[in-house]
Amino acid sequence: NAGVTQTPKFQVLKTGQSMTLQCAQDMNHNSMYWYRQDPGMGLRLIYYSASEGTTDKGEVPNGYNVSRLNKREFSLRLESAAPSQTSVYFCASSTGAADTQYFGPGTRLTVL
Amino acid sequence: RKEVEQDPGPFNVPEGATVAFNCTYSNSASQSFFWYRQDCRKEPKLLMSVYSSGNEDGRFTAQLNRASQYISLLIRDSKLSDSATYLCVVPNYGGSQGNLIFGKGTKLSVKP
Repeated sequence: NAGVTQTPKFQVLKTGQSMTLQCAQDMNHNSMYWYRQDPGMGLRLIYYSASEGTTDKGEVPNGYNVSRLNKREFSLRLESAAPSQTSVYFCASSTGAADTQYFGPGTRLTVL
Repeated sequence: RKEVEQDPGPFNVPEGATVAFNCTYSNSASQSFFWYRQDCRKEPKLLMSVYSSGNEDGRFTAQLNRASQYISLLIRDSKLSDSATYLCVVPNYGGSQGNLIFGKGTKLSVKP
């Protein structure tokens, strides 16, 4: 009973490098989300996918792209990492809109 | 008024104390609400859902005042293990923040 899983758990990048954060859920949820959390800022939504085949921008989408690969998987890509993207990234999923969201354990990303 | 506003704390209380957190929200159309708990360097986890005037689960009581647009969380007989950050969560209807808006959280520290 894994729930929401994320890989990697930790990552250090140099400015300009690219990487993809992976997220998968085994709860048959329709909706998936990517958040970033910075000290004093709370959780901020980057992108979300209300259902398989759809994605929408959240509050802070600049510098990121997403792919809803199938119902289970939702990936987040940083094309050219910047120090401002140093953060903790959480993936979440829910049955539908405004339903309880379940979070993965997070990815701690440092961009030098 | 900000969409979801919480006192950041920290609240420092002794074991056995009763502590209450308040949260105000701006969207009067919101129908269901949530309290999440987040331990240091961990993901947020659902603590309670609030769908009507309130909800009680053991030592935890959540109350909703729709007229004044605030939600409260009461913790009785505080335990050391209650030390965490408590996030108030309100559904979002439209806008760029997806389906749920997370407050920045109130930090609780329970001391022996």
